[in-house]
Amino acid sequence: DVKVTQSSRYLVKRTGEKVFLECVQDMDHENMFWYRQDPGLGLRLIYFSYDVKMKEKGDIPEGYSVSREKKERFSLILESASTNQTSMYLCATTATDPLDEQYFGPGTRLTVT
Amino acid sequence: RKEVEQDPGPFNVPEGATVAFNCTYSNSASQSFFWYRQDCRKEPKLLMSVYSSGNEDGRFTAQLNRASQYISLLIRDSKLSDSATYLCVVNREPAGTASKLTFGTGTRLQVTL
Repeated sequence: DVKVTQSSRYLVKRTGEKVFLECVQDMDHENMFWYRQDPGLGLRLIYFSYDVKMKEKGDIPEGYSVSREKKERFSLILESASTNQTSMYLCATTATDPLDEQYFGPGTRLTVT
Repeated sequence: RKEVEQDPGPFNVPEGATVAFNCTYSNSASQSFFWYRQDCRKEPKLLMSVYSSGNEDGRFTAQLNRASQYISLLIRDSKLSDSATYLCVVNREPAGTASKLTFGTGTRLQVTL
């Protein structure tokens, strides 16, 4: 079974803080993704990575950066958290086959106050 | 116009009923299609892929109509355990590249006794 873990289930941060969200997968998948999910907006892609040290912007990259130093780990960084970044953040992974399903982590509920 | 549109529901149906969801997509070049299921406060999980010829998995049937750009999901003999949000998902990228999925906002199903 694919296992995707995220560093925290719930996180509360203050405006202006730097926030790190970590995602680790154990299936040797090449592709990893970060989404945020908001009511009425669905899941929106922030960034994805198809290889170590490779990254591409998704649909809403503003205010975020990512890091992929090892194949199994993909980090999302909020350089200076703002209240409009309060959301559920979901990491996902998939093998290179584009028709393969995406496996999601349990999510991190981030609240920025 | 949203890339993927779904009726948010909720659909409230009695156990044993048949229920159908539709989803429309705007990009005629979309390559592959999926239904994901998301339980309350959980991550999305793949329910089934949607093939051009239509496909069935037990009580679930998925259909694709490329000409009209819509996807459907039919659930027969609904169970209480089918209560969840069903996400229509479209892959925007050509085959052979890392999958970039566009998620609908989901249709909520509540099956009652």
